[in-house]
Amino acid sequence: GAVVSQHPSWVICKSGTSVKIECRSLDFQATTMFWYRQFPKQSLMLMATSNEGSKATYEQGVEKDKFLINHASLTLSTLTVTSAHPEDSSFYICSARGLAPLGELFFGEGSRLTVL
Amino acid sequence: KQEVTQIPAALSVPEGENLVLNCSFTDSAIYNLQWFRQDPGKGLTSLLLIQSSQREQTSGRLNASLDKSSGRSTLYIAASQPGDSATYLCAVADSWGKLQFGAGTQVVVTP
Repeated sequence: GAVVSQHPSWVICKSGTSVKIECRSLDFQATTMFWYRQFPKQSLMLMATSNEGSKATYEQGVEKDKFLINHASLTLSTLTVTSAHPEDSSFYICSARGLAPLGELFFGEGSRLTVL
Repeated sequence: KQEVTQIPAALSVPEGENLVLNCSFTDSAIYNLQWFRQDPGKGLTSLLLIQSSQREQTSGRLNASLDKSSGRSTLYIAASQPGDSATYLCAVADSWGKLQFGAGTQVVVTP
């Protein structure tokens, strides 16, 4: 099946620094990618929808200046957590959908961010 | 606003028993429903995708049904194995393709 790769799988950073997480579709072109965050023992919460070549659409309550999303190509989307704080520590997961309209979504393995 | 509920939140069964996981949603105007498996600290693995026009999907020991009018889906796992231990999430997609997830059912299959 389709593969979505996330990197890094885990990262520890100091408070105030910025962290970039990459999401790549390895064997298909992803016109749309979604970014989620997941707190322990909770479900995934959609943060933003990323369409190739256009600005991301953020969900209510998500700070777009803090969580910068770039979808520069059909195979790569990046999430940058700027000026990270301990409360940003979470599990971030991306998903990607191919050119087939509203088809199955494929998920990355997730990236665990710990901000000290 | 769409709300997705999964019951039970946790389930423990002995190996060999069948598993029944329930998912309900409040808005029946869904495009599709997807069941996922999540292992601790890992991403999601898609198990089954049911389009809104379908009633069920099957893959090996897994069978998922969908009753859109009543806002319910059920995932059946036959003859459970210890390797089936994981958290199972259901998610419904709207016409824009956005997924709304349930909180999941944590399953433990004991040898």
